[in-house]
Amino acid sequence: NAGVTQTPKFQVLKTGQSMTLQCAQDMNHEYMSWYRQDPGMGLRLIHYSVGAGITDQGEVPNGYNVSRSTTEDFPLRLLSAAPSQTSVYFCASSYLTSGGKTQYFGPGTRLLVL
Amino acid sequence: AQKITQTQPGMFVQEKEAVTLDCTYDTSDQSYGLFWYKQPSSGEMIFLIYQGSYDEQNATEGRYSLNFQKARKSANLVISASQLGDSAMYFCAMREGNQFYFGTGTSLTVIP
Repeated sequence: NAGVTQTPKFQVLKTGQSMTLQCAQDMNHEYMSWYRQDPGMGLRLIHYSVGAGITDQGEVPNGYNVSRSTTEDFPLRLLSAAPSQTSVYFCASSYLTSGGKTQYFGPGTRLLVL
Repeated sequence: AQKITQTQPGMFVQEKEAVTLDCTYDTSDQSYGLFWYKQPSSGEMIFLIYQGSYDEQNATEGRYSLNFQKARKSANLVISASQLGDSAMYFCAMREGNQFYFGTGTSLTVIP
């Protein structure tokens, strides 16, 4: 079991560039989510999914797109990067029926937008 | 309004002593979940403990216990017998429906 994996670990972008942060889990979890963590702000939910083909917005969705074509993968797309999107991004997954009781987090992706 | 409030930016505790980290929450839902996570300096998020809104007993997991006071909307984390390895950021979080909300965290330093 690899758990929740995220790639890349670190990325530098220029303003206006696009990129996709990858997230995959091998635990057959229905629920997957993306968070950003900024200094002094805790984690904030960007988007989440309760199953393949179903996604919804979290607290801070602007500037980000997601899709869930398979149970395993939940990529996060930045369409036109801005310096305000400099952050650490975490992907997480859990069984839906557990109410997120145990939410497994990936190791995070550090993104720097210049 | 903040969904999760952690009012202690930093806390110090002597090794082997107990410490309480405060957390208050705001929701009008009857069904919700409360969580505590630990984030060491290495950056990973580690699940510590969970309390469901309908659970009558306070949750315990080893040296961690959650002091759940529903009427006061508080979910404080108690760490007993602190160890040097407990030095980390601690985040309180709430699940409301399919949304999760995190507090700003408390930095705990354990002093030898």
